[in-house]
Amino acid sequence: NAGVMQNPRHLVRRRGQEARLRCSPMKGHSHVYWYRQLPEEGLKFMVYLQKENIIDESGMPKERFSAEFPKEGPSILRIQQVVRGDSAAYFCASSPVSSTGGNQPQHFGDGTRLSIL
Amino acid sequence: KQEVTQIPAALSVPEGENLVLNCSFTDSAIYNLQWFRQDPGKGLTSLLLIQSSQREQTSGRLNASLDKSSGRSTLYIAASQPGDSATYLCAVDNAGNMLTFGGGTRLMVKP
Repeated sequence: NAGVMQNPRHLVRRRGQEARLRCSPMKGHSHVYWYRQLPEEGLKFMVYLQKENIIDESGMPKERFSAEFPKEGPSILRIQQVVRGDSAAYFCASSPVSSTGGNQPQHFGDGTRLSIL
Repeated sequence: KQEVTQIPAALSVPEGENLVLNCSFTDSAIYNLQWFRQDPGKGLTSLLLIQSSQREQTSGRLNASLDKSSGRSTLYIAASQPGDSATYLCAVDNAGNMLTFGGGTRLMVKP
């Protein structure tokens, strides 16, 4: 029973390039969450998605960042025109139903470490 | 706005000691609280989830308690082992499915 799969594990980009981070939730999970962990900082919520819907993107930077979770395939976090400050670990989590109000923990992947040169 | 604080930020103990990690949160209207373990360069492993209606949860040598009214949770680790060395994170779920994390406690258990 595979867990949450994120790829790539490490991604290096030059300033101005685009970064695409992929997340495949656990089997049977239809809720996906993205978090960012900046160096020496805690994890911060970015966005919550269900299949084909963005439910809450209150933690997403207003520009350059977007996320999707299509009907088929993994969830994608896309960062356009990357800058040095985007260097961080990006974690994806999934749950079978909404984690709020229930006893369903969010299960995390191993993250993608993004480095901007 | 929910704020989560973990004390201490770092802890070093000899093997075999029992220890307590603390987590406090400012908004007591939570749905649940989770404790995670994070190893260097790795993701988060969920250890325990306490629903808002519960007072504690146990798993093996781990016991987590929740006092919603005072905004506190503790993670108790019995008979610590070197393999317990990791960063322990506390996270609360208020609403909207986002977890708010504390800064973590870095634990080192020395053989």
